Amino acid sequence: DAKTTQPNSMESNEEEPVHLPCNHSTISGTDYIHWYRQLPSQGPEYVIHGLTSNVNNRMASLAIAEDRKSSTLILHRATLRDAAVYYCILRDLTQGGSEKLVFGKGTKLTVNP
Amino acid sequence: GAVVSQHPSWVICKSGTSVKIECRSLDFQATTMFWYRQFPKQSLMLMATSNEGSKATHEQGVEKDKFLINHASLTLSTLTVTSAHPEDSSFYICSARVGGPNGYTFGSGTRLTVV
Repeated sequence: DAKTTQPNSMESNEEEPVHLPCNHSTISGTDYIHWYRQLPSQGPEYVIHGLTSNVNNRMASLAIAEDRKSSTLILHRATLRDAAVYYCILRDLTQGGSEKLVFGKGTKLTVNP
Repeated sequence: GAVVSQHPSWVICKSGTSVKIECRSLDFQATTMFWYRQFPKQSLMLMATSNEGSKATHEQGVEKDKFLINHASLTLSTLTVTSAHPEDSSFYICSARVGGPNGYTFGSGTRLTVV
C-alpha cells in the first residue's frame, strides 16, 4: 500500500510558484522520497528525489521536513506544461531486488493561463 | 537517459481475442520490468513484476494465465492480455528499474479498448 498522503487536486496560475505537499508520517530511516509526475495519456516521469536535505534540480525543488514526516515539491514558475498528476512515493533502497514502486492517488495539478 | 519504448500506443480489439504489448529498453539492459494498469481517473496499479529469464510475479488478484508476461531477453518484456473482455479496457504501462537517482523509467503507455 502507498505510504503517502497527498491532496487530490491543486490549482495554480501560470508563472506562479506551486507548493505540492506530501505527508509520510510512517517513513522509515531508509526510505527515500521520490516524486514522479504523469502528464495526460503518458507514462510517469521522474521529477526529483531526496533523503534528508532539500534538493534542487532543473525541474523542481524538494523541501523535506526536519522530522522527514512530510515534504513539499516546489515548482518555482508553473507553466501550462506542468499540468499533471504528481505522485509522492517512498522508496526503500535497501530492498534491492524486491523493491516495487507503489503509487498512491497523487495530486492533480491544474495550471490556469 | 534510459528509455523504454512501448508499443503499440493504442489498440482496439474484439472481445475474446488476445493482445500483445511490447516494452523494449533502448539503451540499457532491464533485468526487471514492471507492468501497471491504470483505469480512468485512477492511479497506477502494479500488475506484475518480470525478471529476465524467470517467471513473472503477479500481484494478488491479477490472473497470471490471463495476463501473460514474457521477459526472455534483457531488452524486451511483453504483456499478453488473453481472451480480452471489455472490462480489460485500460491504460497499460511498463516500467524498468534503472541505476542512478531516477530509479525507474516508464513506457509511454498503451491504451487498450476491447469492443
